[in-house]
Amino acid sequence: KQEVTQIPAALSVPEGENLVLNCSFTDSAIYNLQWFRQDPGKGLTSLLLIQSSQREQTSGRLNASLDKSSGRSTLYIAASQPGDSATYLCAVEYTGNQFYFGTGTSLTVIP
Amino acid sequence: DAGITQSPRHKVTETGTPVTLRCHQTENHRYMYWYRQDPGHGLRLIHYSYGVKDTDKGEVSDGYSVSRSKTEDFLLTLESATSSQTSVYFCAIKPQDHTGELFFGEGSRLTVL
Repeated sequence: KQEVTQIPAALSVPEGENLVLNCSFTDSAIYNLQWFRQDPGKGLTSLLLIQSSQREQTSGRLNASLDKSSGRSTLYIAASQPGDSATYLCAVEYTGNQFYFGTGTSLTVIP
Repeated sequence: DAGITQSPRHKVTETGTPVTLRCHQTENHRYMYWYRQDPGHGLRLIHYSYGVKDTDKGEVSDGYSVSRSKTEDFLLTLESATSSQTSVYFCAIKPQDHTGELFFGEGSRLTVL
């Protein structure tokens, strides 16, 4: 069974701080890694997709990196804002078009 | 907007009754998925489909069946609901083989009393 781990489970930071969320996976033979945001009671919103041949992707204040050899991905959020408060999940796609999800990091940005 | 609609969005039912959740997409994408999300477990795959009448089991498929008779609809059925199936169910689609993003619906909250 593929394992995807996200540590910490919860994180609280003051507004304006830069922060890093972590995602680790046990099998390096991935196709893609995707980061999502989930607001309470809502579905998952795709933030960034990194294909296995890529090292990083950027969108606005978000930057995601991928290191397959070490089984790790990070999501960097610059200049955090209260509106960034949400749960962030990573998902790894392996062969067979199946995705495995971490349990998420709950982020609170304090004004 | 990936054009995914789940119905019903909320349902309360009793143990032993059948329940069907519907996922509808407007873009004719090939891959469709059903997940359940529970505290402490994250999202777990129930079943997925890679085309009309082509489906396969995920890691938590016991007690669930699916059908896909049209490209746009993927149905999840609980033949006899149990309290352990109380959960939030999410439908997702993947537009392309191997390089596409996964997009989610808004979820269906099911409570089995």
